Amino acid sequence: AQSVTQPDIHITVSEGASLELRCNYSYGATPYLFWYVQSPGQGLQLLLKYFSGDTLVQGIKGFEAEFKRSQSSFNLRKPSVHWSDAAEYFCAVGHNAGNMLTFGGGTRLMVKP
Amino acid sequence: EPEVTQTPSHQVTQMGQEVILRCVPISNHLYFYWYRQILGQKVEFLVSFYNNEISEKSEIFDDQFSVERPDGSNFTLKIRSTKLEDSAMYFCASSARAAFTDTQYFGPGTRLTVL
Repeated sequence: AQSVTQPDIHITVSEGASLELRCNYSYGATPYLFWYVQSPGQGLQLLLKYFSGDTLVQGIKGFEAEFKRSQSSFNLRKPSVHWSDAAEYFCAVGHNAGNMLTFGGGTRLMVKP
Repeated sequence: EPEVTQTPSHQVTQMGQEVILRCVPISNHLYFYWYRQILGQKVEFLVSFYNNEISEKSEIFDDQFSVERPDGSNFTLKIRSTKLEDSAMYFCASSARAAFTDTQYFGPGTRLTVL
């Protein structure tokens, strides 16, 4: 069965520092991968998605993610974190059946001034 | 920018009562979804809905749950007889097309508390 693992429940980084959030997936076919962000009181907002082609995808708010099939990973990165990036980040894999998304457990990012 | 809206933002109910959670998807979107997130757990898929019928549902979506699109704008999730374990944040989402690669746009959620 498909699954998504986000090994880090909480991460704290200093403002201006670089960020990498880890995501590992288990999926039988070619994965369709997403990163969403949830700010307090807000819905889930799509940051970026990967279906095929270039394994490095660019998203909104300066985020990027790299698909590595050999490692079954889709890690999210940002070169310089801003205080407004503090939120919860979810990795997800999409399924053809019913368009459902399977989410990871999320990583809560805190940004120190 | 169009967005998915959900009402109420917080619903408190007694065990055994029926609740209806409401969502207004983005207009001209064709595919609708409900997800839930129990506190401290993953966001879980409940059901997808397309062309006025359920497209896919998870094991969680048992006979106590139902979905409806009563008019051209609303999409509802009904829980007939709530249980304590139904307490969760419920998210509605919509996508423009019936393609699983299409972006799902999520609402802010309804927090359901069952006492």
